[in-house]
Amino acid sequence: EPEVTQTPSHQVTQMGQEVILRCVPISNHLYFYWYRQILGQKVEFLVSFYNNEISEKSEIFDDQFSVERPDGSNFTLKIRSTKLEDSAMYFCASKREKLFFGSGTQLSVL
Amino acid sequence: QQQVKQSPQSLIVQKGGISIINCAYENTAFDYFPWYQQFPGKGPALLIAIRPDVSEKKEGRFTISFNKSAKQFSLHIMDSQPGDSATYFCAASKETSGSRLTFGEGTQLTVNP
Repeated sequence: EPEVTQTPSHQVTQMGQEVILRCVPISNHLYFYWYRQILGQKVEFLVSFYNNEISEKSEIFDDQFSVERPDGSNFTLKIRSTKLEDSAMYFCASKREKLFFGSGTQLSVL
Repeated sequence: QQQVKQSPQSLIVQKGGISIINCAYENTAFDYFPWYQQFPGKGPALLIAIRPDVSEKKEGRFTISFNKSAKQFSLHIMDSQPGDSATYFCAASKETSGSRLTFGEGTQLTVNP
């Protein structure tokens, strides 16, 4: 079965540093998403991306966050200046008809 | 308006028993209600989903019951197995293509052998 691939699986960074989380969505999918899950809490929507632009974003997705689909296969989430509260599991997802999630990147901000 | 509330937070069931997880939503514009299963270290995986034009949907041991007037839906796992031990999330969205999912808080299910 095709899958959404995320790298790295774990990322440790210092507060204030920039991080880029990478995702390879399923190849014929049209919609791309980032969600996050703080330890022990619910999965929260961050942003959706369609036709090379953001289609929807949540209040969490502030100016520190950006997304890009630079080459037609990768889909990245950049956090410009990380905060302690950005520590979470970040899930990439893609959809044609059904939504598929990747296994996530565990981001730890120290 | 956007919240989805899920209960219980945790559930312990004996092998062969029935696991029942409940969700309630507020936004009447929601018209797609999936359940996701998540194992440790993995992303959520779609288990079963329902649209409000039916009151029940069954796939194998998994059944969704939907009550539109009460704005509630539930997951029933029949003949629960230890391999079903996972975290279960209900979710809701508007069924326009690409729209976001709003998740419930999750239920940690443990099925004892």
